[in-house]
Amino acid sequence: QQQVKQSPQSLIVQKGGISIINCAYENTAFDYFPWYQQFPGKGPALLIAIRPDVSEKKEGRFTISFNKSAKQFSLHIMDSQPGDSATYFCAASNSGGGADGLTFGKGTHLIIQP
Amino acid sequence: ETGVTQTPRHLVMGMTNKKSLKCEQHLGHNAMYWYKQSAKKPLELMFVYNFKEQTENNSVPSRFSPECPNSSHLFLHLHTLQPEDSALYLCASSTPGSSYEQYFGPGTRLTVT
Repeated sequence: QQQVKQSPQSLIVQKGGISIINCAYENTAFDYFPWYQQFPGKGPALLIAIRPDVSEKKEGRFTISFNKSAKQFSLHIMDSQPGDSATYFCAASNSGGGADGLTFGKGTHLIIQP
Repeated sequence: ETGVTQTPRHLVMGMTNKKSLKCEQHLGHNAMYWYKQSAKKPLELMFVYNFKEQTENNSVPSRFSPECPNSSHLFLHLHTLQPEDSALYLCASSTPGSSYEQYFGPGTRLTVT
């Protein structure tokens, strides 16, 4: 059973446009929602993250929107650039102490066309 | 660079071979993880080590055997693998209280023939 569902699987956006990736989760014990960015030949790298006590977090051109009641969160990339072309993974974690692995979505392959 | 290194970067092995993957972190973290990344599938958590003690094993077949001799090093010993085990194997580390912020290595691309 997939605990974090991510869509779309792939996305093509024109340079300067807004890229939007959506995720939904089922486990209400999750309390931390990071997004990871992965370039070919590299491991995933933490991009931005949010806790469910806020509805939005912005860092530069990247914004997470969070809807706790709907158990959904999304990543918005404003003014998308070719260098943003990568695979993006949403994830969820129960950070209630100790070391726990992250539960990842399947990933979105984003292509920004010049 | 993330401070997490993995060797080898690429590995081709037969189903009867025995090989090991190595991960080393230079971040002073005390939690380390193995993930499996296959095409069109979510990253799958395999093992978690917290202060050198294994705290999670996600029903991984016994042909995968982890070892964590200290907080900086993590190994994944492989034997009698199957072709479906071909994937990118990623190591990550974190501080135990911040397991949601994990630092990944570049991965080992494993091909089982």
